[in-house]
Amino acid sequence: GEDVEQSLFLSVREGDSSVINCTYTDSSSTYLYWYKQEPGAGLQLLTYIFSNMDMKQDQRLTVLLNKKDKHLSLRIADTQTGDSAIYFCAENTQTGANNLFFGTGTRLTVIP
Amino acid sequence: EAQVTQNPRYLITVTGKKLTVTCSQNMNHEYMSWYRQDPGLGLRQIYYSMNVEVTDKGDVPEGYKVSRKEKRNFPLILESPSPNQTSLYFCASSFTSGSYEQFFGPGTRLTVL
Repeated sequence: GEDVEQSLFLSVREGDSSVINCTYTDSSSTYLYWYKQEPGAGLQLLTYIFSNMDMKQDQRLTVLLNKKDKHLSLRIADTQTGDSAIYFCAENTQTGANNLFFGTGTRLTVIP
Repeated sequence: EAQVTQNPRYLITVTGKKLTVTCSQNMNHEYMSWYRQDPGLGLRQIYYSMNVEVTDKGDVPEGYKVSRKEKRNFPLILESPSPNQTSLYFCASSFTSGSYEQFFGPGTRLTVL
């Protein structure tokens, strides 16, 4: 079955770049996502990338996809304290279930 | 405002006492689903519905029931809750089962004693 892995914790200083990594196993993934979860809140879709793309940039966010290695990363430039949250990587194989397979989440702590 | 709402947001109950968590969306979405979030496991899909009266099991359906009598509502039913169902539950919806984006509700934190 699908397996999505992330490291559990990441700490960075305010103003530095953050890089959150994710590996997945299902090569038939159509979309790959990054969701953000702030304390006590639901999941917010940050960005997504089609599986036929290598990179996507959206303001401070850069997503890199290495399909050969099944590796996805999210880079947050100029990290701010408001970026402190849990970040989930997810993949979607576009079956009828439209099931998102989530990683364990990476808790990003931004140190002022 | 387009949104997915869940009620209640927090619930503490006892083993065996039937409960229902409601989910409603106002976006006319066909597809709705339920996930549970547990520490170290991410989110796992419980049940999903592709349209009214069409539901199917996700990855972890045991101990749960759902119904989809109306397009906007997708309640999650725990007939006889057990402590291992203590979790954070999220409802999600999307326009169709093929849509790339799912919209998530704010979550329901359930504790079963």
